[in-house]
Amino acid sequence: QKEVEQNSGPLSVPEGAIASLNCTYSDRGSQSFFWYRQYSGKSPELIMFIYSNGDKEDGRFTAQLNKASQYVSLLIRDSQPSDSATYLCAVNRGAGAGNTGKLIFGQGTTLQVKP
Amino acid sequence: NAGVTQTPKFQVLKTGQSMTLQCAQDMNHNSMYWYRQDPGMGLRLIYYSASEGTTDKGEVPNGYNVSRLNKREFSLRLESAAPSQTSVYFCASSENAETQYFGPGTRLLVL
Repeated sequence: QKEVEQNSGPLSVPEGAIASLNCTYSDRGSQSFFWYRQYSGKSPELIMFIYSNGDKEDGRFTAQLNKASQYVSLLIRDSQPSDSATYLCAVNRGAGAGNTGKLIFGQGTTLQVKP
Repeated sequence: NAGVTQTPKFQVLKTGQSMTLQCAQDMNHNSMYWYRQDPGMGLRLIYYSASEGTTDKGEVPNGYNVSRLNKREFSLRLESAAPSQTSVYFCASSENAETQYFGPGTRLLVL
């Protein structure tokens, strides 16, 4: 079992719809969770991070964390063609003084938003 | 403010050749990281440096060495390149060992 798992997709949604991207992780001690967006041929860029159970909203993006079920999701409302990219989920198991920032990444989900 | 820069952008090597990938950040971050990205594999951590003067292994360190030259610079060296090291290499930096900012990447082909 991979430490961080994502469905590689592609996930195809029509313009204006809600895109839902999911990620599961195996280490119950994981402390913080990140979503990165990566356009083809470019480097990853941070979209959101979440530490606590529940929802965190930022514009059209909502991250959801459920530590009991060990999953984190990203919702993109009013999806636009410019949202077409690969979305990477990353997990940091460290915390406090022992936190070195070592991230474990999933393989990424490719999102296609069709006009 | 350039953020994280990497050189070179592209490189072709023959098996057995050596090379050093350079990374620099101008954000005064303490932590720096080297990743490789292969199709369908996501990003895998090669080495990291939690602070100036320290380095440690990540998930896939074999075949690589690193040097944290100073707070700004973190280099990755391939002593004897192998075709299995064909990949895209990303450097990243972080102030608080949480949010990481990535450089543009180096595309390496080993023949």
